[in-house]
Amino acid sequence: DIQMTQSPSSLSTSVGDRVTITCRASQNISRYLNWYQQKPGRAPNLLIYAASSLQTGVPSRFSGSGSGTDFTLTISSLQPEDFATYYCQQSYSTPTFGQGTKVEIK
Amino acid sequence: EVQLVQSGAEVKKPGESLKISCKGSGYSFISYWIGWVRQMPGKGLEWMGIIYPGDSDTRYSPSFQGQVTISADKSISTAYLQWSSLKASDNAMYYCARHVTWGIGWYFDLWGRGTLVTVSS
Repeated sequence: DIQMTQSPSSLSTSVGDRVTITCRASQNISRYLNWYQQKPGRAPNLLIYAASSLQTGVPSRFSGSGSGTDFTLTISSLQPEDFATYYCQQSYSTPTFGQGTKVEIK
Repeated sequence: EVQLVQSGAEVKKPGESLKISCKGSGYSFISYWIGWVRQMPGKGLEWMGIIYPGDSDTRYSPSFQGQVTISADKSISTAYLQWSSLKASDNAMYYCARHVTWGIGWYFDLWGRGTLVTVSS
């Protein structure tokens, strides 16, 4: 299996801050990397697919970048509704997820 | 409305069998892969496997191969996840998700609300 490692595991931040979450794959996955947001008690929600493509309906403050083994999810100006857990997921081979990054209110 | 509707929460005893469902509506059910994702209490997401309802082509994660069975009935736009003998370690929330093919991979653009499975003696 391809291992996905996210950092940090959690972060405390404030509304309006710029937030960056990184995801590293254990081998080259090209651009087969997706990002999801999950709020407590809710199903995950697709934010970014193919490393940098914004899913329809997702606010433009979310963006993704990277290729190969290193990827980034950026939230340009954190909003109250963005406090959640974020997961990266590769689909280059049998899909696997990162362990998640919990974004909390400072 | 495009949606996946999952069956309700289940409480079972170890050793019992179980089949949970995921019904798609508002789109061509046979044209997309449907998969299952496990989330154990307080933990992350684990991909279990998928099925293409159009021809019932099924693929499993090695971690779940032999532990569960994925099936579908395209006549009623429903996918299933079943266990023949539940264990306490099967306690989890199970999500179905529509898989969209991109290149050689997928992304999961539509999710059900989840089915909570509780296994307890």
